[in-house]
Amino acid sequence: QKEVEQDPGPLSVPEGAIVSLNCTYSNSAFQYFMWYRQYSRKGPELLMYTYSSGNKEDGRFTAQVDKSSKYISLFIRDSQPSDSATYLCAMSVVAGGTSYGKLTFGQGTILTVHP
Amino acid sequence: GAVVSQHPSRVICKSGTSVKIECRSLDFQATTMFWYRQFPKQSLMLMATSNEGSKATYEQGVEKDKFLINHASLTLSTLTVTSAHPEDSSFYICSARPTSGGAWETQYFGPGTRLLVL
Repeated sequence: QKEVEQDPGPLSVPEGAIVSLNCTYSNSAFQYFMWYRQYSRKGPELLMYTYSSGNKEDGRFTAQVDKSSKYISLFIRDSQPSDSATYLCAMSVVAGGTSYGKLTFGQGTILTVHP
Repeated sequence: GAVVSQHPSRVICKSGTSVKIECRSLDFQATTMFWYRQFPKQSLMLMATSNEGSKATYEQGVEKDKFLINHASLTLSTLTVTSAHPEDSSFYICSARPTSGGAWETQYFGPGTRLLVL
């Protein structure tokens, strides 16, 4: 079993739709959770990060973490064609207040928003 | 914003040759850099953690003699794939964590280097 599971999709939605992206994980030591966006043949770009359980909102993006269920989500409201990309969840362990910085990534979900 | 560059962006080489990939933080210093490998339609897999002035820490299953990492300055880390073979063909991505400023968990990724070994 992979430490982080993410449905690879692909996911295709019409412009303006609400997109829900999800990851599950097995390592209960993960405490930092991040979402990255990766365009084709480019490096990942950090979208959002959250610490422990809870919600965080930034513009059209909302990240949710449910540690009890080991489940994280990213919601995109009013999706745009420019949101078309691969979305990767990533997690890290925090030890003694300092992360080692090692990220464990999900497989990535390919999202296409069509006009 | 923080920018990380990689050079070359793509390289094609013959089997048995060595290839060097550079990762630079352009507008910040990075004590720690990370090297990842990404196969088509798969996620990023951490290969090693590179710390300026010390030896790199390799993940389990990554051959340190094959993937040589040098982090000689606070803005430059290099990955050398020695005696490359076709199975080493992949997308290699580095990331850099700023030495100061910003949240500790922040990593900025380079644009990646696509390696094709014939």
